[in-house]
Amino acid sequence: DTEVTQTPKHLVMGMTNKKSLKCEQHMGHRAMYWYKQKAKKPPELMFVYSYEKLSINESVPSRFSPECPNSSLLNLHLHALQPEDSALYLCASSQERFANTGELFFGEGSRLTVL
Amino acid sequence: AQSVTQLDSQVPVFEEAPVELRCNYSSSVSVYLFWYVQYPNQGLQLLLKYLSGSTLVKGINGFEAEFNKSQTSFHLRKPSVHISDTAEYFCAVKGNTGKLIFGQGTTLQVKP
Repeated sequence: DTEVTQTPKHLVMGMTNKKSLKCEQHMGHRAMYWYKQKAKKPPELMFVYSYEKLSINESVPSRFSPECPNSSLLNLHLHALQPEDSALYLCASSQERFANTGELFFGEGSRLTVL
Repeated sequence: AQSVTQLDSQVPVFEEAPVELRCNYSSSVSVYLFWYVQYPNQGLQLLLKYLSGSTLVKGINGFEAEFNKSQTSFHLRKPSVHISDTAEYFCAVKGNTGKLIFGQGTTLQVKP
C-alpha cells in the first residue's frame, strides 16, 4: 500500500473547467513534490514544497497552481488547461527537500485527460 | 551537468531468465545513483540506491546493481525474472541542485 494518497485517480475535464488534484502523506515528510509524466517518459519535476513553502517552480505555466495547506497535504489547482496537459500527475514526498538518501515516495498518480 | 543514459528502451526476456538493464551516467560531483520501478498504472518505487561504500548494491525483489566508476555505469541485474517484474525501470542520478535526473526508462517485458 502506498503511503502517499492521490485523488482522484482519473479526471476528465474541459478546457474551461477548474479542478483540483489532491495529495496526502502521513509519514511526517517535510518536502512534497508534483511531477508530470507523459506515457513512456520519465517524470518531469513541476513544483517542490519544503516546510509548506514553495521552494521550486520549474517554469510551469500559471494554469497550474500549487497549494500546500499543511505539512500533510498538497493540492494542484487546474484552470484553462490545454489538451497537451493530459498526463499522469504524480505526487511525491521525502523527509527533507532533495534528501541525500534520494528516496522519494510516490503516490499512484492522477491520470488527467483534457478534452 | 549530470545526465543519465539508459541504453535500451525495451528489454524482452523469458520468465526465469537473467536480465540486465543498462544505465550510464555523467557527473562531475559526488555520485548518488538510484533505480526506480514503475508497475503499470502505479507510481514509482525505489528499487535500490548507491550513495557510497560497497559497489554492489542489493535492492528489493531480488534486484542488484553494480556501481562502476571507471565505466560510469550502474547496471541493474536480476538472476531470474518473474512475470510480475514486467514494468518500466528508471535509472536516476542526483544532480548538483539536488534534483533527481531520470533516464528515459527501460521497459522490461517478461514473457511466459
